[in-house]
Amino acid sequence: NAGVTQTPKFRVLKTGQSMTLLCAQDMNHEYMYWYRQDPGMGLRLIHYSVGEGTTAKGEVPDGYNVSRLKKQNFLLGLESAAPSQTSVYFCASRTWGVGSDTQYFGPGTRLTVL
Amino acid sequence: GQQLNQSPQSMFIQEGEDVSMNCTSSSIFNTWLWYKQDPGEGPVLLIALYKAGELTSNGRLTAQFGITRKDSFLNISASIPSDVGIYFCAGPPNTGNQFYFGTGTSLTVIP
Repeated sequence: NAGVTQTPKFRVLKTGQSMTLLCAQDMNHEYMYWYRQDPGMGLRLIHYSVGEGTTAKGEVPDGYNVSRLKKQNFLLGLESAAPSQTSVYFCASRTWGVGSDTQYFGPGTRLTVL
Repeated sequence: GQQLNQSPQSMFIQEGEDVSMNCTSSSIFNTWLWYKQDPGEGPVLLIALYKAGELTSNGRLTAQFGITRKDSFLNISASIPSDVGIYFCAGPPNTGNQFYFGTGTSLTVIP
């Protein structure tokens, strides 16, 4: 049981390049989330999904797209990277139910855009 | 997401001392979660609370779900150097799919 995994762990992009971050969970959770965390700041929600085939915008969705084609995977895409997207990205999955609502985080992807 | 009020913002304590921190919200919560985040790592769940008044322990950590359902407390007893990190609370309000997060408490333990 690996929990929530993220690939890659580190990435450096040039402005304008594109990339996809992969999040995978093996806990059969319906809900998945993508956050970004900037130095000295809290987690900000980018996009989330409440089930396979669904996505919704969070607090800071601009410049990002997501897809949830399979229940266990949640992909975050940057079509044209900008320096302002330099950040640490965390994925999380959520088990939901009375007495069991919990969110588990992945180890993060550190992205630098030059 | 929306931030919860967490205090204190930072703490510098001697090894062996006890630590207390709390989170407050303007909304009623059904769940309170406490996490620890080490530098360069993802947040790790410490304790989950699901009932008003609930008191739950995890080793030297004890957390309580406030009876008003608008606050929660985390205590660490007999702190040790590996307790160093950022602690934050989180929870989903009654409605919506998003989580709210505390502003974080940075803990430094002086040996």
